[in-house]
Amino acid sequence: NAGVMQNPRHLVRRRGQEARLRCSPMKGHSHVYWYRQLPEEGLKFMVYLQKENIIDESGMPKERFSAEFPKEGPSILRIQQVVRGDSAAYFCASSRGTSANTGELFFGEGSRLTVL
Amino acid sequence: RKEVEQDPGPFNVPEGATVAFNCTYSNSASQSFFWYRQDCRKEPKLLMSVYSSGNEDGRFTAQLNRASQYISLLIRDSKLSDSATYLCVVITNQGGKLIFGQGTELSVKP
Repeated sequence: NAGVMQNPRHLVRRRGQEARLRCSPMKGHSHVYWYRQLPEEGLKFMVYLQKENIIDESGMPKERFSAEFPKEGPSILRIQQVVRGDSAAYFCASSRGTSANTGELFFGEGSRLTVL
Repeated sequence: RKEVEQDPGPFNVPEGATVAFNCTYSNSASQSFFWYRQDCRKEPKLLMSVYSSGNEDGRFTAQLNRASQYISLLIRDSKLSDSATYLCVVITNQGGKLIFGQGTELSVKP
C-alpha cells in the first residue's frame, strides 16, 4: 500500500546544522504540498510543487528554507542552519491533480524535527 | 486576522452527546470548504466536504453560510472514537492550496 512516505520520521539536529526531509507522494500523484505544524498549533502551508516546478512558495520563510521536487526521486524540504524555532512536525501531502478539484490531500505521517 | 478561525476548544463531552464546531473564514473569494480530522500526533485525514446546501454523512452534518463566511460541523451521538482534533479547511481561488484552521480538540468521555 504505497501511501505518502516521509522520512526520516524523527530527526534531531543541533543549531546550525542542516535538515533534509524527504517525501515520496502516492503513486500517480504529481502534486506535492509541505505543511509545518508547531506544537499546539494548526498546519501552516509552506510550499506547493509539481514535478520540477515550484507552483506556490508563499508560505516558505525567505531564508534557510528551500524545496524541490525533481523529475526523478522524492520531494525534499531542506532547512539550512537550523534554529530552535524550526522544531516542528513537517507534513507532506500529495494529490493527483490540483487540490482545488476535490480538496482531498493525502498526508504522510510527518517528520518531526527537534533542534537542540 | 487569521484566514481561518475555529472555536478554541477543547470540547469535553460525554458519549452520546451532540457537539457543534464553528469556523469562520476571512477571504470572501474562498471557493471550497472541508473538515479534516487529526488524531493525536498523526496525519490529518479528510472527514467531509462542505457544500452550500449542507450535507450529511452518518452522524456528521456540515453546513456552509457564504454570506456570513461561516462553516459548521455537527456530530450527533458522540462516540469515544470521535475524540480527535477537527480542522476547518478552506481553498481560495489562488492556486488551490488548502488553508487550515488551528483546529478544535474534542474529547469524548465514557
